[in-house]
Amino acid sequence: GAVVSQHPSRVICKSGTSVKIECRSLDFQATTMFWYRQFPKQSLMLMATSNEGSKATYEQGVEKDKFLINHASLTLSTLTVTSAHPEDSSFYICSATRDSNTEAFFGQGTRLTVV
Amino acid sequence: GENVEQHPSTLSVQEGDSAVIKCTYSDSASNYFPWYKQELGKGPQLIIDIRSNVGEKKDQRIAVTLNKTAKHFSLHITETQPEDSAVYFCAASKRRGSTLGRLYFGRGTQLTVWP
Repeated sequence: GAVVSQHPSRVICKSGTSVKIECRSLDFQATTMFWYRQFPKQSLMLMATSNEGSKATYEQGVEKDKFLINHASLTLSTLTVTSAHPEDSSFYICSATRDSNTEAFFGQGTRLTVV
Repeated sequence: GENVEQHPSTLSVQEGDSAVIKCTYSDSASNYFPWYKQELGKGPQLIIDIRSNVGEKKDQRIAVTLNKTAKHFSLHITETQPEDSAVYFCAASKRRGSTLGRLYFGRGTQLTVWP
């Protein structure tokens, strides 16, 4: 099956700094990538949808200036948490789909801890 | 938008018993219903899915049933094993042709299989 790789798997950063999370589709071209946030023992909350070469579409309540999403190529999307604060600590997960397949492939997630 | 409800939130079974997780959805236009297994600290993995033109689908010990009229679908795991222990999420989506739309997730079920 298709593989989506997310990096890093864990990151600890100081409050006020920015953190970049990468999501790569290793063996297919991902026309659409999705970014989710998951709190402990909660479901996945969609943050934004990104299509290659265009601006991301953010869900209501998600600050686009705080969570910068770039989908510069068909195999890479990045999520940058800017000026991170402890309340941004969470598990962030990306997924990718390709035109010829209806399945969504998920990355392994990134555990962000802001101290 | 779509609203997906999932029950129960926790489920404990003895090894070898069956486990059933149920979900309901609100949007009759949803036509694709995947189930994901998420192990601790990892991203979700698709275990089975069903489309609205099918009432039941089986894959070894896992089966999914769909009742379009009642707008509910269920995951059945038979002969459970300790390695089945994980969080299971149901989801609903509208698929247009071969393109997968946004996934709406249930809140998850923590399944524990006791040896």
